[in-house]
Amino acid sequence: GEDVEQSLFLSVREGDSSVINCTYTDSSSTYLYWYKQEPGAGLQLLTYIFSNMDMKQDQRLTVLLNKKDKHLSLRIADTQTGDSAIYFCAELPPGFQKLVFGTGTRLLVSP
Amino acid sequence: DTAVSQTPKYLVTQMGNDKSIKCEQNLGHDTMYWYKQDSKKFLKIMFSYNNKELIINETVPNRFSPKSPDKAHLNLHINSLELGDSAVYFCASSQGDRGNTEAFFGQGTRLTVV
Repeated sequence: GEDVEQSLFLSVREGDSSVINCTYTDSSSTYLYWYKQEPGAGLQLLTYIFSNMDMKQDQRLTVLLNKKDKHLSLRIADTQTGDSAIYFCAELPPGFQKLVFGTGTRLLVSP
Repeated sequence: DTAVSQTPKYLVTQMGNDKSIKCEQNLGHDTMYWYKQDSKKFLKIMFSYNNKELIINETVPNRFSPKSPDKAHLNLHINSLELGDSAVYFCASSQGDRGNTEAFFGQGTRLTVV
Protein backbone atom coordinates (compact mmCIF):
# COMPACT_ATOMS: atom_id res chain seq x y z
CA GLY A 1 0.00 0.00 0.00
CA GLU A 2 0.95 3.63 -0.30
CA ASP A 3 0.38 4.62 3.31
CA VAL A 4 2.52 3.95 6.33
CA GLU A 5 0.08 1.95 8.42
CA GLN A 6 -0.50 1.92 12.15
CA SER A 7 -3.31 0.62 14.30
CA LEU A 8 -5.60 3.44 15.39
CA PHE A 9 -5.93 2.84 19.12
CA LEU A 10 -4.17 1.15 21.99
CA SER A 11 -5.40 1.11 25.56
CA VAL A 12 -3.24 -0.10 28.46
CA ARG A 13 -3.14 0.14 32.23
CA GLU A 14 -0.49 2.12 34.04
CA GLY A 15 2.60 0.01 34.68
CA ASP A 16 1.98 -2.33 31.74
CA SER A 17 4.09 -2.38 28.60
CA SER A 18 2.72 -0.84 25.41
CA VAL A 19 3.65 -2.01 21.93
CA ILE A 20 2.83 0.20 18.98
CA ASN A 21 3.27 -1.27 15.53
CA CYS A 22 3.97 0.29 12.16
CA THR A 23 4.26 -1.07 8.63
CA TYR A 24 6.19 1.22 6.34
CA THR A 25 6.31 1.33 2.59
CA ASP A 26 9.85 1.73 1.30
CA SER A 27 12.30 -1.05 2.06
CA SER A 28 15.14 1.33 1.16
CA SER A 29 14.23 3.87 3.80
CA THR A 30 17.39 4.81 5.58
CA TYR A 31 15.97 6.04 8.85
CA LEU A 32 12.78 5.30 10.74
CA TYR A 33 11.41 7.47 13.49
CA TRP A 34 8.92 7.57 16.30
CA TYR A 35 7.26 10.86 17.15
CA LYS A 36 4.87 11.68 20.00
CA GLN A 37 2.08 14.24 19.78
CA GLU A 38 0.35 15.33 22.97
CA PRO A 39 -3.06 17.04 22.72
CA GLY A 40 -2.84 20.50 21.22
CA ALA A 41 0.91 20.25 20.79
CA GLY A 42 3.44 19.73 18.03
CA LEU A 43 5.43 16.60 17.38
CA GLN A 44 8.30 15.52 19.54
CA LEU A 45 10.93 13.10 18.30
CA LEU A 46 11.17 10.15 20.69
CA THR A 47 13.73 7.99 18.98
CA TYR A 48 14.96 6.82 15.61
CA ILE A 49 16.71 3.78 14.19
CA PHE A 50 19.07 3.32 11.27
CA SER A 51 17.94 0.78 8.71
CA ASN A 52 21.02 -1.37 9.33
CA MET A 53 20.00 -1.96 12.95
CA ASP A 54 17.33 -4.31 14.17
CA MET A 55 16.96 -3.02 17.70
CA LYS A 56 17.56 0.13 19.67
CA GLN A 57 16.94 0.71 23.35
CA ASP A 58 16.62 4.11 24.96
CA GLN A 59 15.54 4.04 28.62
CA ARG A 60 11.89 2.87 28.64
CA LEU A 61 11.72 2.75 24.86
CA THR A 62 12.69 -0.19 22.68
CA VAL A 63 12.49 -0.02 18.91
CA LEU A 64 12.45 -3.20 16.84
CA LEU A 65 12.95 -3.20 13.09
CA ASN A 66 12.14 -6.05 10.74
CA LYS A 67 13.35 -4.90 7.34
CA LYS A 68 12.17 -7.99 5.53
CA ASP A 69 8.58 -7.36 6.57
CA LYS A 70 8.96 -3.56 6.66
CA HIS A 71 7.73 -3.65 10.22
CA LEU A 72 8.69 -1.26 12.98
CA SER A 73 7.54 -1.38 16.57
CA LEU A 74 7.88 0.80 19.64
CA ARG A 75 7.71 -0.76 23.07
CA ILE A 76 7.18 1.48 26.08
CA ALA A 77 8.01 -0.23 29.35
CA ASP A 78 6.20 0.69 32.58
CA THR A 79 3.72 2.92 30.72
CA GLN A 80 2.62 6.01 32.61
CA THR A 81 -0.47 8.20 32.26
CA GLY A 82 1.82 10.90 30.87
CA ASP A 83 2.55 8.61 27.93
CA SER A 84 -1.03 9.05 26.70
CA ALA A 85 -0.67 10.70 23.30
CA ILE A 86 -0.69 9.95 19.58
CA TYR A 87 2.40 8.15 18.35
CA PHE A 88 3.54 8.47 14.75
CA CYS A 89 6.10 6.38 12.98
CA ALA A 90 7.83 8.01 10.02
CA GLU A 91 10.20 6.86 7.33
CA LEU A 92 12.82 8.73 5.37
CA PRO A 93 12.94 7.23 1.87
CA PRO A 94 16.34 7.54 0.17
CA GLY A 95 16.74 10.48 -2.15
CA PHE A 96 13.71 12.19 -0.67
CA GLN A 97 14.01 15.12 1.62
CA LYS A 98 10.85 14.59 3.58
CA LEU A 99 9.46 12.42 6.30
CA VAL A 100 6.53 10.18 5.41
CA PHE A 101 4.36 9.78 8.47
CA GLY A 102 2.20 6.88 9.55
CA THR A 103 -1.47 7.22 10.30
CA GLY A 104 -0.85 7.57 14.05
CA THR A 105 -1.76 5.41 17.05
CA ARG A 106 -3.68 6.93 19.92
CA LEU A 107 -2.36 5.48 23.18
CA LEU A 108 -4.58 5.75 26.22
CA VAL A 109 -3.10 4.85 29.59
CA SER A 110 -5.55 4.34 32.42
CA PRO A 111 -4.63 4.40 36.13
CA ASP B 1 13.32 29.84 24.20
CA THR B 2 11.04 28.57 21.49
CA ALA B 3 12.92 26.72 18.77
CA VAL B 4 10.25 26.78 16.06
CA SER B 5 7.48 29.30 16.53
CA GLN B 6 4.36 29.74 14.46
CA THR B 7 1.82 32.51 14.51
CA PRO B 8 -1.04 32.60 14.93
CA LYS B 9 -1.87 29.52 16.99
CA TYR B 10 -5.53 29.70 16.02
CA LEU B 11 -7.05 31.22 12.92
CA VAL B 12 -10.76 31.34 12.13
CA THR B 13 -11.72 32.92 8.85
CA GLN B 14 -14.42 32.93 6.21
CA MET B 15 -14.34 31.13 2.90
CA GLY B 16 -12.77 33.16 0.15
CA ASN B 17 -10.43 35.13 2.40
CA ASP B 18 -6.65 35.24 2.08
CA LYS B 19 -4.55 34.50 5.14
CA SER B 20 -0.93 33.97 6.13
CA ILE B 21 0.77 31.83 8.73
CA LYS B 22 4.26 32.76 9.84
CA CYS B 23 7.05 30.49 10.99
CA GLU B 24 10.42 31.28 12.45
CA GLN B 25 13.18 29.02 13.75
CA ASN B 26 16.11 30.09 15.89
CA LEU B 27 18.06 26.85 15.59
CA GLY B 28 20.24 27.87 12.68
CA HIS B 29 18.76 25.10 10.56
CA ASP B 30 18.89 25.36 6.80
CA THR B 31 15.79 23.32 5.94
CA MET B 32 12.21 24.22 6.80
CA TYR B 33 8.94 22.46 6.11
CA TRP B 34 5.19 22.87 6.16
CA TYR B 35 3.06 19.88 7.08
CA LYS B 36 -0.71 19.61 7.12
CA GLN B 37 -2.57 17.50 9.68
CA ASP B 38 -6.17 16.76 8.82
CA SER B 39 -9.09 15.98 11.12
CA LYS B 40 -8.08 12.32 11.22
CA LYS B 41 -4.62 13.34 12.43
CA PHE B 42 -3.01 12.27 9.18
CA LEU B 43 0.20 14.26 8.60
CA LYS B 44 1.44 15.05 5.16
CA ILE B 45 4.23 17.25 3.90
CA MET B 46 3.28 20.24 1.78
CA PHE B 47 6.53 22.09 1.14
CA SER B 48 10.19 21.95 1.97
CA TYR B 49 12.75 24.73 1.61
CA ASN B 50 16.50 24.36 1.85
CA ASN B 51 18.46 27.60 2.18
CA LYS B 52 15.48 29.58 0.89
CA GLU B 53 15.11 27.34 -2.14
CA LEU B 54 11.99 25.28 -2.73
CA ILE B 55 12.89 21.59 -2.89
CA ILE B 56 9.57 19.86 -2.30
CA ASN B 57 6.11 20.85 -3.46
CA GLU B 58 3.71 18.00 -2.85
CA THR B 59 0.90 18.65 -5.33
CA VAL B 60 -0.47 21.41 -3.21
CA PRO B 61 -3.03 23.73 -4.88
CA ASN B 62 -1.65 26.97 -6.29
CA ARG B 63 -3.68 28.83 -3.69
CA PHE B 64 -0.94 27.88 -1.24
CA SER B 65 2.23 29.88 -1.68
CA PRO B 66 5.18 29.50 0.66
CA LYS B 67 7.71 32.28 0.98
CA SER B 68 11.11 32.10 2.57
CA PRO B 69 12.66 35.55 2.97
CA ASP B 70 15.66 34.02 4.74
CA LYS B 71 16.57 30.58 6.00
CA ALA B 72 15.13 31.28 9.45
CA HIS B 73 11.64 32.06 8.15
CA LEU B 74 9.11 30.15 6.10
CA ASN B 75 5.69 31.73 5.76
CA LEU B 76 2.61 30.18 4.21
CA HIS B 77 0.11 32.32 2.36
CA ILE B 78 -3.25 30.87 1.39
CA ASN B 79 -5.54 32.56 -1.14
CA SER B 80 -9.27 32.05 -1.55
CA LEU B 81 -9.62 29.82 1.48
CA GLU B 82 -11.93 26.80 1.17
CA LEU B 83 -13.70 24.72 3.81
CA GLY B 84 -11.38 21.81 3.04
CA ASP B 85 -8.36 23.89 4.06
CA SER B 86 -9.43 23.55 7.69
CA ALA B 87 -6.63 21.63 9.39
CA VAL B 88 -3.67 22.06 11.69
CA TYR B 89 -0.60 23.33 9.87
CA PHE B 90 2.81 22.51 11.32
CA CYS B 91 6.05 24.18 10.51
CA ALA B 92 9.27 22.25 11.11
CA SER B 93 12.97 22.69 10.60
CA SER B 94 16.02 20.46 10.44
CA GLN B 95 19.72 20.80 9.85
CA GLY B 96 20.50 19.42 6.43
CA ASP B 97 17.96 17.76 4.25
CA ARG B 98 18.60 14.07 4.77
CA GLY B 99 19.78 11.60 7.32
CA ASN B 100 19.06 11.36 10.97
CA THR B 101 18.80 15.04 11.58
CA GLU B 102 15.90 15.60 13.91
CA ALA B 103 13.03 17.66 12.59
CA PHE B 104 11.80 20.14 15.22
CA PHE B 105 8.14 21.02 14.97
CA GLY B 106 6.27 24.14 15.89
CA GLN B 107 3.13 24.01 18.03
CA GLY B 108 0.87 24.16 15.01
CA THR B 109 -1.68 26.62 13.65
CA ARG B 110 -5.27 25.44 13.81
CA LEU B 111 -7.01 26.91 10.79
CA THR B 112 -10.81 26.84 10.71
CA VAL B 113 -12.56 28.03 7.58
CA VAL B 114 -16.25 28.81 8.03
